[in-house]
Amino acid sequence: GENVEQHPSTLSVQEGDSAVIKCTYSDSASNYFPWYKQELGKRPQLIIDIRSNVGEKKDQRIAVTLNKTAKHFSLHITETQPEDSAVYFCAANPGSGNTGKLIFGQGTTLQVKP
Amino acid sequence: DGGITQSPKYLFRKEGQNVTLSCEQNLNHDAMYWYRQDPGQGLRLIYYSQIVNDFQKGDIAEGYSVSREKKESFPLTVTSAQKNPTAFYLCASSTQRTGMNQPQHFGDGTRLSIL
Repeated sequence: GENVEQHPSTLSVQEGDSAVIKCTYSDSASNYFPWYKQELGKRPQLIIDIRSNVGEKKDQRIAVTLNKTAKHFSLHITETQPEDSAVYFCAANPGSGNTGKLIFGQGTTLQVKP
Repeated sequence: DGGITQSPKYLFRKEGQNVTLSCEQNLNHDAMYWYRQDPGQGLRLIYYSQIVNDFQKGDIAEGYSVSREKKESFPLTVTSAQKNPTAFYLCASSTQRTGMNQPQHFGDGTRLSIL
């Protein structure tokens, strides 16, 4: 069935450094790839998403890149700050039809050290 | 996303008991979803509904049931058949647009524990 693999499971960086989280998906028909940030005990919040008709999207310090051929997409956070510390989830839609379904990766715990 | 309200925030279940988690949204979204989140794991889809009076099983529907009698409400019942119900349950909603997935917006979650 559809699967989304996310790496690494934990990531520790120094404040000001960049962080990169990678995801691979199995369904070549997938065309929507959101990223969510979840702080401890809180709801996941959408931080950026990308559709398969573009290869890169940026929003201030956050960017997402998509390689459809290799079936992987990545989240890039530049100039990290302590408030970026959270769990980040990638997701992809199963490509067969617009059901709204998402398959989530296992999550990456990002720690930004001051 | 103050438009999605989940209640209660904490819930305790006794053995053999059914419990119902509430999810209400005032965003006028057509689609609603229920996820289960376990420590160290991603979100797993339990049930979803694209329209009133219709819903589909997700990846882990066994031991759960839902209803969608109103657009704004999508309650989840955790039945006694669910042998490991302890988890964090998240409800989400999204608009519907033909041919295009739309962002899902989440509630604050309900943490269910076994007594």
